[in-house]
Amino acid sequence: DAGVIQSPRHEVTEMGQEVTLRCKPISGHDYLFWYRQTMMRGLELLIYFNNNVPIDDSGMPEDRFSAKMPNASFSTLKIQPSEPRDSAVYFCASSLPLNYGYTFGSGTRLTVV
Amino acid sequence: GIQVEQSPPDLILQEGANSTLRCNFSDSVNNLQWFHQNPWGQLINLFYIPSGTKQNGRLSATTVATERYSLLYISSSQTTDSGVYFCAVGYAGGTSYGKLTFGQGTILTVHP
Repeated sequence: DAGVIQSPRHEVTEMGQEVTLRCKPISGHDYLFWYRQTMMRGLELLIYFNNNVPIDDSGMPEDRFSAKMPNASFSTLKIQPSEPRDSAVYFCASSLPLNYGYTFGSGTRLTVV
Repeated sequence: GIQVEQSPPDLILQEGANSTLRCNFSDSVNNLQWFHQNPWGQLINLFYIPSGTKQNGRLSATTVATERYSLLYISSSQTTDSGVYFCAVGYAGGTSYGKLTFGQGTILTVHP
């Protein structure tokens, strides 16, 4: 398996623009997670899905952020409009249910200028 | 929410040395994982270890859930062990499986 695949690897955008981050989980994994990593706040869970259904989005910072999982092999995290404070590395991870660890993707480094 | 404290925050070793990293957590958990973030930013899962002891090559981990701590042992360290080690904890039950809380990490530097 190719692992969890994220795209793009790097994204530089101007403040106010829409940004879409993409993730393909490992085939057969029931859980998908979106995390954000910053120096100040470390790794924070934004939202997670179970069988394509959002279970907990309490970590989504504000209404500018939205996430979807239209099918078992694809998820998106969208920021509209983007702001400089959204600059961070965004990770996607997937897992089998219980008793298994996460597998993380390589991350998307987002810079909003 | 659950508080996770890792120690030490920084650790510098010579190649070949052994080390122990500690993770303390504030509440009952049944989901605990250790990760290594390499210098290129990749997060690698080392152990899923909510209790007991596991070993994988030069790395081993022990979790004593009743006393709310976990230890990660690195033996005969190599320069490729450098990076940040994270402990992440949570309670898996019903729909709560996914809520892992990460510690701030231990930055390990191994010199040749």
